[in-house]
Amino acid sequence: DQQVKQNSPSLSVQEGRISILNCDYTNSMFDYFLWYKKYPAEGPTFLISISSIKDKNEDGRFTVFLNKSAKHLSLHIVPSQPGDSAVYFCAASGRDDKIIFGKGTRLHILP
Amino acid sequence: DTAVSQTPKYLVTQMGNDKSIKCEQNLGHDTMYWYKQDSKKFLKIMFSYNNKELIINETVPNRFSPKSPDKAHLNLHINSLELGDSAVYFCASSPALAGATDTQYFGPGTRLTVL
Repeated sequence: DQQVKQNSPSLSVQEGRISILNCDYTNSMFDYFLWYKKYPAEGPTFLISISSIKDKNEDGRFTVFLNKSAKHLSLHIVPSQPGDSAVYFCAASGRDDKIIFGKGTRLHILP
Repeated sequence: DTAVSQTPKYLVTQMGNDKSIKCEQNLGHDTMYWYKQDSKKFLKIMFSYNNKELIINETVPNRFSPKSPDKAHLNLHINSLELGDSAVYFCASSPALAGATDTQYFGPGTRLTVL
């Protein structure tokens, strides 16, 4: 039962362009959403989050958009840089304090 | 100056053995977690502890026993290892009990291979 789905296992984007990573969720009780970034042989690191009372949160080059009616969120990275090449995990949580992670999307930034 | 550290980084062992993975955080956080990343790449929570008390205990075989000697440490002991236990195990910590809305800081992971 995948409550958090990242349907694209990988994505390639030209350096300088916009990277858009998508995430869908099924549980309408989720009220907090997070994105984590993971480099090989390292643990995930927190990137950006959004509460369900908002529809957008921006932090530098990273913006997360939340569409509650569609149960969809996306992470925009602009401009994409080589160091952005990593696996990105979407995650969601509800009142039980458990974070449910998606499978991740591997982002390749092409020179 | 590692914030969340795990040892060992790699662990190769035979079926039936008992092994432990150690986790330490020097962030002063109250809550610690164990996650398992399986072959399908899902990161699934196994346990969370707050100030040495078990808070979340997912459906995990009772061969897995977390031990928290103090709030800076959360060790994972696994008895009678099985092939299906092969995975990468991540420890994490967060400042408060409401860990889901707090940033979680992850360790580098321990790759366990059971032969």
